[in-house]
Amino acid sequence: QQQVKQSPQSLIVQKGGISIINCAYENTAFDYFPWYQQFPGKGPALLIAIRPDVSEKKEGRFTISFNKSAKQFSLHIMDSQPGDSATYFCAASNNAGNMLTFGGGTRLMVKP
Amino acid sequence: NAGVMQNPRHLVRRRGQEARLRCSPMKGHSHVYWYRQLPEEGLKFMVYLQKENIIDESGMPKERFSAEFPKEGPSILRIQQVVRGDSAAYFCASSPLGTNSPLHFGNGTRLTVT
Repeated sequence: QQQVKQSPQSLIVQKGGISIINCAYENTAFDYFPWYQQFPGKGPALLIAIRPDVSEKKEGRFTISFNKSAKQFSLHIMDSQPGDSATYFCAASNNAGNMLTFGGGTRLMVKP
Repeated sequence: NAGVMQNPRHLVRRRGQEARLRCSPMKGHSHVYWYRQLPEEGLKFMVYLQKENIIDESGMPKERFSAEFPKEGPSILRIQQVVRGDSAAYFCASSPLGTNSPLHFGNGTRLTVT
């Protein structure tokens, strides 16, 4: 059973727009929620991460919003650029280790 | 500072052969993780190792798959008697600590079984 559900599977956004990707989890023991960016032929690269003691974290154009009661978190990409076109994965883990559980991925395309 | 190095980048094997995938973690990292990614899917955890120890192999198939991280040298993921369903991208990640420290991924080995 998939423990982290990610949506949408694909997303097309105009340059300058906001890209929003959502994830929901089931395991209440999760306490670390990273987002990874993956370009074709490359490995995932850590983009930004959040812990449940805060509801929002911002780094440049990337923001994570976290809703502990709803067990949901989302990635917002402001002023989306064609160079942001990639596959994005949310993930979650708990204190037991770094065995990340990944969502299914969102393929983002930013049109010029 | 070199990142996580995986080789080979591409590996083609015929059904029944053995596949051996190598991973050298980042300098100073003693924790290694292997993940498998099927086409159009997310990454699935396979195994977590520290030097000379398997910490968690709950995601690894019980048969044909094995992993090691010796005291010297890279971590090895070995798949014996490969089948077409083993075709996937295999990613290795490393971290300096075992608990909630960022994982750094390599660029993967793409295994094709013909």
